[in-house]
Amino acid sequence: GQQLNQSPQSMFIQEGEDVSMNCTSSSIFNTWLWYKQDPGEGPVLLIALYKAGELTSNGRLTAQFGITRKDSFLNISASIPSDVGIYFCAGRIQGAQKLVFGQGTRLTINP
Amino acid sequence: NAGVTQTPKFQVLKTGQSMTLQCAQDMNHEYMSWYRQDPGMGLRLIHYSVGAGITDQGEVPNGYNVSRSTTEDFPLRLLSAAPSQTSVYFCASSYSMGATSTDTQYFGPGTRLTVL
Repeated sequence: GQQLNQSPQSMFIQEGEDVSMNCTSSSIFNTWLWYKQDPGEGPVLLIALYKAGELTSNGRLTAQFGITRKDSFLNISASIPSDVGIYFCAGRIQGAQKLVFGQGTRLTINP
Repeated sequence: NAGVTQTPKFQVLKTGQSMTLQCAQDMNHEYMSWYRQDPGMGLRLIHYSVGAGITDQGEVPNGYNVSRSTTEDFPLRLLSAAPSQTSVYFCASSYSMGATSTDTQYFGPGTRLTVL
């Protein structure tokens, strides 16, 4: 079953606001990935994290690999209309040969 | 370099029909996988393959078969379609799975399947 808890499930914000979302688990992860999915498309990789404590940016996006290795965070600064979509976290549990996915955070932006 | 490709993009089946969803990648990735996406359920793993000739079950394998005869292709077969298999299906690939930094998966555009 689902081993990742992603929150919030949805967000309604104003353009220009910052956004934060996170994923937590009771298991230790070796890899954390953040994806964005636009309507009718497949998920697209935003940021990949491979070491505990790692902080990585991709433009206005910043993600962190939690030091406990059981959580990860994604922040979006100064949101713009094209940030609308569903954001998924995913991770590989230590020793596993597959990824597990969070249920997604649906981001809606009011102009 | 086309990445991960999937065909068809849309498909409507009647209950009991069989069909094959195609997936191909041109990145020489060893690891390939199939997911289904349902509203509120995120992405659930159906089957995966760590290399040609090797496949294994994921979280929701019932009603689906896979085979991996080449590195490039990983077709998903629905044996006898049921309405519960109405979903969006994504194929994904990565260099490997189990070694840090090579397990980043890249997704295809999806196949939207409706079973009546």
